[in-house]
Amino acid sequence: NAGVTQTPKFQVLKTGQSMTLQCAQDMNHEYMSWYRQDPGMGLRLIHYSVGAGITDQGEVPNGYNVSRSTTEDFPLRLLSAAPSQTSVYFCASSNSDRGGNQPQHFGDGTRLSIL
Amino acid sequence: KQEVTQIPAALSVPEGENLVLNCSFTDSAIYNLQWFRQDPGKGLTSLLLIQSSQREQTSGRLNASLDKSSGRSTLYIAASQPGDSATYLCAPGQGGSEKLVFGKGTKLTVNP
Repeated sequence: NAGVTQTPKFQVLKTGQSMTLQCAQDMNHEYMSWYRQDPGMGLRLIHYSVGAGITDQGEVPNGYNVSRSTTEDFPLRLLSAAPSQTSVYFCASSNSDRGGNQPQHFGDGTRLSIL
Repeated sequence: KQEVTQIPAALSVPEGENLVLNCSFTDSAIYNLQWFRQDPGKGLTSLLLIQSSQREQTSGRLNASLDKSSGRSTLYIAASQPGDSATYLCAPGQGGSEKLVFGKGTKLTVNP
């Protein structure tokens, strides 16, 4: 069982370039989320989705776009990369349960450097 | 806005000690609270999830408690081992399991 798979694992970009971070899960989870982790700070929510076709903004959405055309995939797009977007990006997924008893499962992360 | 504080930021203990990691949060309107472990350069591994209606959860040598009204959770690790060395993250869930707010973590080192 692969769980949450993120690609690529590492990437270096130049300022102004665009790219897409890929996230796929094989657990048929409704909920998917993107977080970024920066030194000295906790993980911060970028965007999240509660199902195919439904996305919403988290705490730090500026500079990022998402879409959710399938249950399995939730790509994160950087439209014009900036040095401030240098970070480690984590994708997570969980079952939909408003009872609050479904844990989030995380991928191994994408380490992104913007020069 | 939910704010999460974890104390201490770092902890170094000899093998075999029992220890407590603390987490406090400012907004008690949470669905659940998860404790994660993160090894260097790796992703997050879920250790325990406590629903808002529960007071504690146990898994092996780990026990997590939740006092929602006071905005506190603790993670108790019994008989610590060098393999427990990692960063431990606390994350209350706001509005459902898809939205977690994280603390900065406690970096634990267990010395042989």
